[in-house]
Amino acid sequence: EDKVVQSPLSLVVHEGDTVTLNCSYEVTNFRSLLWYKQEKKAPTFLFMLTSSGIEKKSGRLSSILDKKELFSILNITATQTGDSAIYLCAVAMNRDDKIIFGKGTRLHILP
Amino acid sequence: EAGVAQSPRYKIIEKRQSVAFWCNPISGHATLYWYQQILGQGPKLLIQFQNNGVVDDSQLPKDRFSAERLKGVDSTLKIQPAKLEDSAVYLCASSLIAGGQDTQYFGPGTRLTVL
Repeated sequence: EDKVVQSPLSLVVHEGDTVTLNCSYEVTNFRSLLWYKQEKKAPTFLFMLTSSGIEKKSGRLSSILDKKELFSILNITATQTGDSAIYLCAVAMNRDDKIIFGKGTRLHILP
Repeated sequence: EAGVAQSPRYKIIEKRQSVAFWCNPISGHATLYWYQQILGQGPKLLIQFQNNGVVDDSQLPKDRFSAERLKGVDSTLKIQPAKLEDSAVYLCASSLIAGGQDTQYFGPGTRLTVL
C-alpha cells in the first residue's frame, strides 16, 4: 500500500530556533515529492523535489530529497511566529498521476 | 491571475440531507482535484479530472458521492445523503498539467458540518 508518513506530528519551538520536518514514503512509480504550507484552509506550494541530493531553497526554508532512503526533510532556520502552520508532504506517482498526502506536521512557534 | 474559486465557504446540514460544492479552477488548467480533509489529517484525494475525464476516483465513496466536470472547466461535488463522518473541509485544486509535474493550486475550501 502506498503511504506517506510525516514526523513529528506536532512541534512547538521558540522563535529563532531551527526546525527539521521529516517525510518518508513508500510508493510505486515515484515521480516527485511536494511540500505545502497550510495556515488556514488552502495549502500553498513550497517545493517540488524530483532529484536526490539537490537542495531547494526559498529564504529561510530549504528541502532535500533522498530517493535511496525514500525520505525528504524540510528545514526552517531562524523561525518566526508567521511560520506557525501545518506543513504537508505529498508524493506524486506516475501511475494514474496519483498524489498521496501525509497527515502533516503542525508547527507552532512561540514568541 | 485569479485563483481557484470555491463555494460555498461554509455549509451546515443535517445527516441524510444532500449538499453540493462548486469549484472553478484557474483558467487553462487541465487537471482538477477534489480532496477531503478531516480535522487533524492530510488531504485525501477523492477524484481527479483531466479535462472532463476521470483519471482517478478510487477513493470516492461512490454510493453517496458524485462529481462531474462536464465542460472540462467548472466542477461540482455532491454528497447524497450526507453522514456525520462527512464533516470535513473539501478542497479543490487545479494544475496546468498532471499533479507532480506542475504545481497544484488550492482553493479556499468548503467547511462542511453534518449534524
